[in-house]
Amino acid sequence: AQSVTQPDIHITVSEGASLELRCNYSYGATPYLFWYVQSPGQGLQLLLKYFSGDTLVQGIKGFEAEFKRSQSSFNLRKPSVHWSDAAEYFCAVVSSNDYKLSFGAGTTVTVRA
Amino acid sequence: EAGVTQSPTHLIKTRGQQATLRCSPISGHTSVYWYQQALGLGLQFLLWYDEGEERNRGNFPPRFSGRQFPNYSSELNVNALELEDSALYLCASSLELNTEAFFGQGTRLTVV
Repeated sequence: AQSVTQPDIHITVSEGASLELRCNYSYGATPYLFWYVQSPGQGLQLLLKYFSGDTLVQGIKGFEAEFKRSQSSFNLRKPSVHWSDAAEYFCAVVSSNDYKLSFGAGTTVTVRA
Repeated sequence: EAGVTQSPTHLIKTRGQQATLRCSPISGHTSVYWYQQALGLGLQFLLWYDEGEERNRGNFPPRFSGRQFPNYSSELNVNALELEDSALYLCASSLELNTEAFFGQGTRLTVV
């Protein structure tokens, strides 16, 4: 079955430390991949996307993600987190079969001073 | 340029009533998506409309329905409300298939 998995429910990082959020997908063909961020009580904001080409993608707010076909992964990274990065992060996938945008369960990031 | 707008921001209904949620996509966007975000359940796909037609539907009962108007705005109707329908309902729009979706701020539906 097609699925998007975010293995980490909650991550706590210190301000200034690096951050990596994991995302794995299970689809027959390489889907279109996205990372979104959601602040409490708000809608979702697109951080970055991967359709094709260069497997290292740069996004807004200093985030980047790397697509690894062999591992069916699309992990999100940030070299140095800021307190304002505390939020919930969602990996999302659009399948080329049904064009449905499906989300992982999300990872909540807490930033400690 | 205005983003995706949803109304109302908050909605309180009694069990058994009907709720209507509205969404205006970004100008020029023809696809509208609806998601339910209930506490602890993540984002669940509800409905996808494109060019006025329902293109896909998630695993929700028929009392969840909607439509897309000629101006591409959309409404989501939830009939016979149940307490479990309490959630944040998010609408998103996209320009065409396989491009990024832009989300509204959501409608918080509370069923009491």
